[in-house]
Parts: sequence; C-alpha cells; structure tokens
Amino acid sequence: AQKVTQAQTEISVVEKEDVTLDCVYETRDTTYYLFWYKQPPSGELVFLIRRNSFDEQNEISGRYSWNFQKSTSSFNFTITASQVVDSAVYFCALSEAVISGTASKLTFGTGTRLQVTL
Amino acid sequence: NAGVTQTPKFRILKIGQSMTLQCAQDMNHNYMYWYRQDPGMGLKLIYYSVGAGITDKGEVPNGYNVSRSTTEDFPLRLELAAPSQTSVYFCASSYSRIRDNSPLHFGNGTRLTVT
Repeated sequence: AQKVTQAQTEISVVEKEDVTLDCVYETRDTTYYLFWYKQPPSGELVFLIRRNSFDEQNEISGRYSWNFQKSTSSFNFTITASQVVDSAVYFCALSEAVISGTASKLTFGTGTRLQVTL
Repeated sequence: NAGVTQTPKFRILKIGQSMTLQCAQDMNHNYMYWYRQDPGMGLKLIYYSVGAGITDKGEVPNGYNVSRSTTEDFPLRLELAAPSQTSVYFCASSYSRIRDNSPLHFGNGTRLTVT
C-alpha cells in the first residue's frame, strides 16, 4: 500500500525566512510519481510540481525548490525568502504509474500548514 | 477556459436527505475523480472514472454513488446523508496516457455540512 507522511502539521516563519516542508513516502512500485499541491486560504488546490521516480534531479522554480531523494524516500519542498502570500496548506502526494485502463489515483499526505508573518 | 467546475459551493443537509454534487470539466479529460477532505486530513479518493460509462470505487466509497454518462460530467450522489459525510468535496480531472501521469486539475470544492 502507498503512504505519504508529512510529519510537520504546522510551521510558522517570519517573512524572508527559508522554510522546508518534509515529505516521506512509501510504495512498492518501482515507477511512481510525486506531486506537491498548494491549498491557499481560499480553498482551491493548486498544482505545483510533478516528479517521476526516474528523475532524481532537483528542481528550482523561482523561490521554490524540490529535493527528491530515492535513498531516503523523501521529496522535500523548500521555499526561499518566504512571503506572506506563501501562507497555505501544502500537500505532498504519490501516484503509481498509469497503466492502461486505470487512473492516476493520488495518495495524499495530511498536509503542512505554513503560516508566514511579517 | 473554465477547467473543472463544481456546484454548489456550499450546502447544508439534514440527516437522511439526499443530494447530488455536480462536476463538469471542459478540458476533454478522460479521467475524473471525487475526493473528500476532512479537517486536518489529506484528501481521500471516493470514486473515479476512466471514461464515459466506466466508474470504480476509491478508498472511501460507502454512502456515495457516481455516474459518468458523458466525458464532461461526473456527478456524486449522496442518498442518505449522515453527519460523517460532513466534509469538503473536490472533483478533479486529468488527461492521462500510458507513461504520462498528468497532474490532476481540481475544482474549487463543495463544502457540505450534514446536521
């Protein structure tokens, strides 16, 4: 069975601090996909990134970066120079590889609430 | 380009009432999903569909029914509402091919309270 653990329930930082959100996953599949979604106070879910299990390169997108390490089954998310607008709940999710006739069902972690204050 | 549209946004039901949560997507996606999000929890999959006429159970299907008569629409039916179904419901869709695990596009959610 797949499982995603986000051990940090809530994190509070002051604006401009860097913050890392942890994500640890479990799966028996050799091919899988990892995702991060952002849920701002307005409630919608915003896709941030997808990473497949064969690509361990870290990714940077502006102030966001992701560190994927298969050896520790982790897919951590770092926000550099955090801003108040980053305040949200962030979800890590895992999906098995899509095969014919099935769907990419996501298994979500419980989320980390990030509060960025002035 | 509306994406995934859910209606209603909010609803209060009495125990035992029934209702249908509507979901429509205009992206010609094959796959559609219903998730529920309970406070402090991640999303759990209720039902999903890989195409018109095909549906399957997810992790928490009890108390719900779905249908998929068209590619665009994927309504979720609650027949006898119970307090345990108080939650925020998200519909999602994806265009998925083999070896292309496309991200899910989510609707804005329906907040349902059963009292």
